[in-house]
Amino acid sequence: NAGVTQTPKFQVLKTGQSMTLQCAQDMNHEYMSWYRQDPGMGLRLIHYSVGAGITDQGEVPNGYNVSRSTTEDFPLRLLSAAPSQTSVYFCASRPDSYSYNEQFFGPGTRLTVL
Amino acid sequence: SQQGEEDPQALSIQEGENATMNCSYKTSINNLQWYRQNSGRGLVHLILIRSNEREKHSGRLRVTLDTSKKSSSLLITASRAADTASYFCATDVNQAGTALIFGKGTTLSVSS
Repeated sequence: NAGVTQTPKFQVLKTGQSMTLQCAQDMNHEYMSWYRQDPGMGLRLIHYSVGAGITDQGEVPNGYNVSRSTTEDFPLRLLSAAPSQTSVYFCASRPDSYSYNEQFFGPGTRLTVL
Repeated sequence: SQQGEEDPQALSIQEGENATMNCSYKTSINNLQWYRQNSGRGLVHLILIRSNEREKHSGRLRVTLDTSKKSSSLLITASRAADTASYFCATDVNQAGTALIFGKGTTLSVSS
């Protein structure tokens, strides 16, 4: 299994541009989530999903959209990038099982908005 | 707002010493997890302790949980240079545990 994969690894955008950060997992996990990490901070939850077609907002959802059309993919869309969205973005997944709470994280996407 | 708050923010020790990090949280929990992040990398799950447990061990890691004080501690015994990393506590965002709410982390530096 490849686990949780994220593309791209690095991205530079200009203010106002839009883009989609890709996240995919091949472990058949129902739960997926997106986080951002700013320097010196922990991860903050942006959006999460309990399965295909179902998403919910986390702590910092403004400026981001998500959709979940398949179990495997959970893309994060920046509608109009702002410098405040400069951050490292992590995607994570875990199985739908009470007995298994560990989240599996992708390697991250480092985004710079100029 | 972030659920967990780690203390201290930074910790520097020598190899062989023990490192203790503390985490406080705000609301009731089903479980609490600890993750490690090496510089520039993703997060790696270390250990999970459930709300009905008071202490849990995994190798050189010892985690305690005090639900009455809404706090947890992570002890790393006999630290090694390879333990240098940031450590985060995390709690579930909802009853289903769909996602996590993280604290700001403790940065541990172990020098040889």
